[in-house]
Amino acid sequence: EPEVTQTPSHQVTQMGQEVILRCVPISNHLYFYWYRQILGQKVEFLVSFYNNEISEKSEIFDDQFSVERPDGSNFTLKIRSTKLEDSAMYFCASRQGTIREQFFGPGTRLTVL
Amino acid sequence: GDSVTQMEGPVTLSEEAFLTINCTYTATGYPSLFWYVQYPGEGLQLLLKATKADDKGSNKGFEATYRKETTSFHLEKGSVQVSDSAVYFCALMEIKAAGNKLTFGGGTRVLVKP
Repeated sequence: EPEVTQTPSHQVTQMGQEVILRCVPISNHLYFYWYRQILGQKVEFLVSFYNNEISEKSEIFDDQFSVERPDGSNFTLKIRSTKLEDSAMYFCASRQGTIREQFFGPGTRLTVL
Repeated sequence: GDSVTQMEGPVTLSEEAFLTINCTYTATGYPSLFWYVQYPGEGLQLLLKATKADDKGSNKGFEATYRKETTSFHLEKGSVQVSDSAVYFCALMEIKAAGNKLTFGGGTRVLVKP
C-alpha cells in the first residue's frame, strides 16, 4: 500500500541553524501539506501546496518557513533560522484530487537546542 | 474561523468497556469530518470519515455519525481493547478553492487497562 514517507525521523539542531525536512508524498497525489504538533498539543496546519505554489498558509508559517517541490517526488519544508519554539513533530500529508482524505507521514521530530 | 472541540482526556477504561469521545465543530460551510488516531510513537492514521449529514463512518469497530443539527461527530466503540489505547483527534475539512486544510481538535488520550 502506498504511503507518505518522511526523513529524517529525528533532527536535532542548534538555535539559528537552517533545517530542511523532507517528505515523499504518495505518487499520484496532487495536494501536499505540512502540519506540526508541539508536544502534548493539538495538530496545527502550516501550509498547503498545489500546482507548484502555496495555496494556503497559517499565521505560524512566517518568512522563516518555505516549502518546495524540487522534483516530481519530494516535498520539503525549510526553516531558515530555527527558534526554540520550533521544536515539534512535523507531519507531511498528501491528498489525491478527488478523494478528501489526507494521508500522513510518520513525522519528523525536530528538537532545537 | 473553523474550530473543533473535543472532550479532554485522559479517558481511562477497562477492557470491553464502552467508549464515547465527544466532538463538536463550528464551520462556515459544509465540512467533511474525520477521526484520526495516533498510537504511541507513531503518526496520524485516518480512522473514519463522513462527508455529509447523517453519514455514518465506521472502521475497526469504531463509529461516528455526522450530525449537522447538533454540529457533532462523536466517536463510539462498543467494546474497547488494550490495543485501542491511543490519542484520538477529531478534524474537519472544508472544501474550498484553495488549501482544504484539516482543522484538528485538541486530541483525547484513551488508556484501556486489561
